[in-house]
Amino acid sequence: KAGVTQTPRYLIKTRGQQVTLSCSPISGHRSVSWYQQTPGQGLQFLFEYFSETQRNKGNFPGRFSGRQFSNSRSEMNVSTLELGDSALYLCASGPRLASEQFFGPGTRLTVL
Amino acid sequence: EDKVVQSPLSLVVHEGDTVTLNCSYEVTNFRSLLWYKQEKKAPTFLFMLTSSGIEKKSGRLSSILDKKELSSILNITATQTGDSAIYLCAVATSGGSNYKLTFGKGTLLTVNP
Repeated sequence: KAGVTQTPRYLIKTRGQQVTLSCSPISGHRSVSWYQQTPGQGLQFLFEYFSETQRNKGNFPGRFSGRQFSNSRSEMNVSTLELGDSALYLCASGPRLASEQFFGPGTRLTVL
Repeated sequence: EDKVVQSPLSLVVHEGDTVTLNCSYEVTNFRSLLWYKQEKKAPTFLFMLTSSGIEKKSGRLSSILDKKELSSILNITATQTGDSAIYLCAVATSGGSNYKLTFGKGTLLTVNP
């Protein structure tokens, strides 16, 4: 079974721009969560989708948004990028809510 | 606010040693506790512990959940250099139909030959 895939793997943007990251979960998985990982803060939960509905949201500003499609693929959007948004963005999928999650390789975002 | 604390923050051992990593939590509506291993890439799933499955073992790795003490330990016996990684503990909580994972900051384990 193919694992979680994320595109693009690397991205360089400038302040003020917006970015869209994509995640394809493991086949059959309906839960998709997004995380931001930085050296100082560790892994921080952004939001989680299940059956196209956002089920929970972490403590991030409204510039961070996401959605899930009927095929369970998910996208995350960050608008008006700030330098502090530079991080590794990880997507994880699970077969159901509250189950183990399997992570993708991440998208490394650098904001200049 | 849900909180997950791991200790120690870092640990250096020699090959063959046994290590114990700790995770304690203060959360609302506990569902499960998960352990992940992160090398240079994304975290890889190790174990999930719940009220109905408080002990798990896989090869040299084992983990126990203590619901009374609100904590868990991850044991690694006969450590190898390939065990060098960041070990992450996460607690899953749910309120109604909402669910989220809260991660600890991790323990950096370095195994020297």
